[in-house]
Amino acid sequence: QVQLVQSGAEVRKPGASVKVSCKASGYTLTTYHIHWVRQAPGQGLEWMGVINPSGGSTTYAQKFQGRVTMTRDTSTSTIYMELTSLRSQDTAVYYCARDLGGNWFDLWGQGTLVTVSS
Amino acid sequence: DIVMTQSPDSLAVSLGERATINCKSSQSVLYSSNNRTYLAWYQQKPGQPPNLLIYWASTRESTRESGVPDRFSGSGSGTDFTLTISSLQAEDVAVYYCQQYYSTPYTFGQGTKLEIK
Repeated sequence: QVQLVQSGAEVRKPGASVKVSCKASGYTLTTYHIHWVRQAPGQGLEWMGVINPSGGSTTYAQKFQGRVTMTRDTSTSTIYMELTSLRSQDTAVYYCARDLGGNWFDLWGQGTLVTVSS
Repeated sequence: DIVMTQSPDSLAVSLGERATINCKSSQSVLYSSNNRTYLAWYQQKPGQPPNLLIYWASTRESTRESGVPDRFSGSGSGTDFTLTISSLQAEDVAVYYCQQYYSTPYTFGQGTKLEIK
C-alpha cells in the first residue's frame, strides 16, 4: 500500500526543537520529492519546504530559513523535518506530502500535531 | 510571494445543486513557455489531510485507485480560477483550497468551507 506514515504527536516548550518523521512505503522514496506543509488549529495550509530524497537537496520557505532542516535516510525510506527555536505560533499539524514532479501533492501523511506550550 | 484569495469563505448549497468556488492569484500562474497553468485544488475533511482533486487548473486526479468523481471540474487561466461541483453530494462537505505551484513559496488560498443547505 502506497502511504506516508508520520510520527506521533509532540509537546515542546518554547525555545525547544522538534523532529518529525515521515516514512514512505509502497514506492521508492528516492523517486519523488517530499514537501512539508503545516496547518495551525482552525487555519489554512502553509508550505514550509521540499527535499529531494535522491540527493538530499532542499528548498525552504524564507519564513523558516535558519529554523528548519529537512533530511532523509534512504535506508529506512524516512524523511525528517526538524524545527528549532519553537514558539507558540508553531503549534500546528505538520504534514509531509509527495510530489509526483509537478509540485502539487498527490499523497499526504496523516499529520503530526506539534504543540508548543510552557 | 503570490497571494491566493478564495471566495466565498463559506458556501451552503442544496444536495444535487451546483457549487462554485473561486480562486484569484495576485499574479499570473500561467507559464508561457509551456502554456501550463500552475494551479491545484484540494479537498480537506475534518481530521484528515488534504486530498488532491485537480492539477494544471483542470486535470482531474486519477492516479489513485479511487479517482476523483467527474462531478468535480476546474477551470480558469492567468489569475482567475474556479472549482465546480456539478451536483453536490453529502460526502462533498469539506473545506476546499487552491494552491499555486508556479513559484516558491508555494501558497494556498485561505479555504472555502462548503456545507449543505
